[in-house]
Amino acid sequence: SAVISQKPSRDICQRGTSLTIQCQVDSQVTMMFWYRQQPGQSLTLIATANQGSEATYESGFVIDKFPISRPNLTFSTLTVSNMSPEDSSIYLCSVGGREKLFFGSGTQLSVL
Amino acid sequence: KQEVTQIPAALSVPEGENLVLNCSFTDSAIYNLQWFRQDPGKGLTSLLLIQSSQREQTSGRLNASLDKSSGRSTLYIAASQPGDSATYLCAVTETGANNLFFGTGTRLTVIP
Repeated sequence: SAVISQKPSRDICQRGTSLTIQCQVDSQVTMMFWYRQQPGQSLTLIATANQGSEATYESGFVIDKFPISRPNLTFSTLTVSNMSPEDSSIYLCSVGGREKLFFGSGTQLSVL
Repeated sequence: KQEVTQIPAALSVPEGENLVLNCSFTDSAIYNLQWFRQDPGKGLTSLLLIQSSQREQTSGRLNASLDKSSGRSTLYIAASQPGDSATYLCAVTETGANNLFFGTGTRLTVIP
């Protein structure tokens, strides 16, 4: 199993600003995933972050809006840039693979 | 594109009742299916994972079934308890992919 620490747990931000979410894992992992859960919606994969290479973004998500860093095998950040109220969601990081996924506790973001 | 649907969206039952949550998916070419529990502020916890070749998995009071050909899965919870109150999500992994497709969840309330 893996223990994931994600922070901040929640934040309220102003339109046009940026927020960086951090995800720390207690063991080395190859792939880290970032998900978004909009109100009343299912989780949607934003991107997959591998250490030492650029993140792979899913359709509908771009690096300029959601830049991701993966400096080592235990840490990743997701930045939500130039925020608008439509970015109000829960953002979750996860690690694992097809056999098992572990999730952080999520970041509840509200954009005013 | 894979679509995962969960019915009902919300369910309230008295303590002690047995209950069934439903999940359907549109593309039967899946690698596995997982059931997760989501608690507010605590991220997601994996409950059961069923490989595409399996019919069911059991863990304690939980039993998950899979009918891949019809694109359906059920999560059976026996003798429900107030501590079972949470949102339950199913997710499928497609063959040859790492991405999970999540349903929108069923919000379960068990009334003492």
